[in-house]
Amino acid sequence: AQTVTQSQPEMSVQEAETVTLSCTYDTSENNYYLFWYKQPPSRQMILVIRQEAYKQQNATENRFSVNFQKAAKSFSLKISDSQLGDTAMYFCALKETSGSRLTFGEGTQLTVNP
Amino acid sequence: SAVISQKPSRDICQRGTSLTIQCQVDSQVTMMFWYRQQPGQSLTLIATANQGSEATYESGFVIDKFPISRPNLTFSTLTVSNMSPEDSSIYLCSVVTDNYGYTFGSGTRLTVV
Repeated sequence: AQTVTQSQPEMSVQEAETVTLSCTYDTSENNYYLFWYKQPPSRQMILVIRQEAYKQQNATENRFSVNFQKAAKSFSLKISDSQLGDTAMYFCALKETSGSRLTFGEGTQLTVNP
Repeated sequence: SAVISQKPSRDICQRGTSLTIQCQVDSQVTMMFWYRQQPGQSLTLIATANQGSEATYESGFVIDKFPISRPNLTFSTLTVSNMSPEDSSIYLCSVVTDNYGYTFGSGTRLTVV
């Protein structure tokens, strides 16, 4: 069974600084997709970044980048130049190619301080 | 990516009653997913709904408690039946679009009193 673990329930960072959120996962498959979602107080789930396991290059979306370590089954999210609007709950998620379900980690509450 | 309209956005209900949540998608999608997010927790998949067939429920969720309808490729409903305070949660629908992108509705915050 696929599992996703986020070991940091809460993190904080000063505005304009860089923060890294950790995520580890377990799957028996070789092909899968990893995601980071952001959930602000509005409850809307917003896709931040996506990584396909067969791609060795780490995904990047503007200020957001990942460090994907396939052998270690690690998928961390780095947020550069943090902004107040980045304050939200962040969820790491896994989808195996063979199935359709998305499995979420426990979430990390990120607070960006002015 | 798809746009989902989810209603209601919030409701306060009496225990023992039922609430039906609707999700309308602006494009045809094969699969729709329903999640529950209990206070301060992560998202848990309730069921997967395909058009024209019975929904597939995850362990711990049953059709009598969470009946789902999927009458066409753009619409689905989730009913929370015979509610108790333990059902107080955020309920979200989701669809998968191209390249395994998942889009979510804005969520329904349910409070049972």
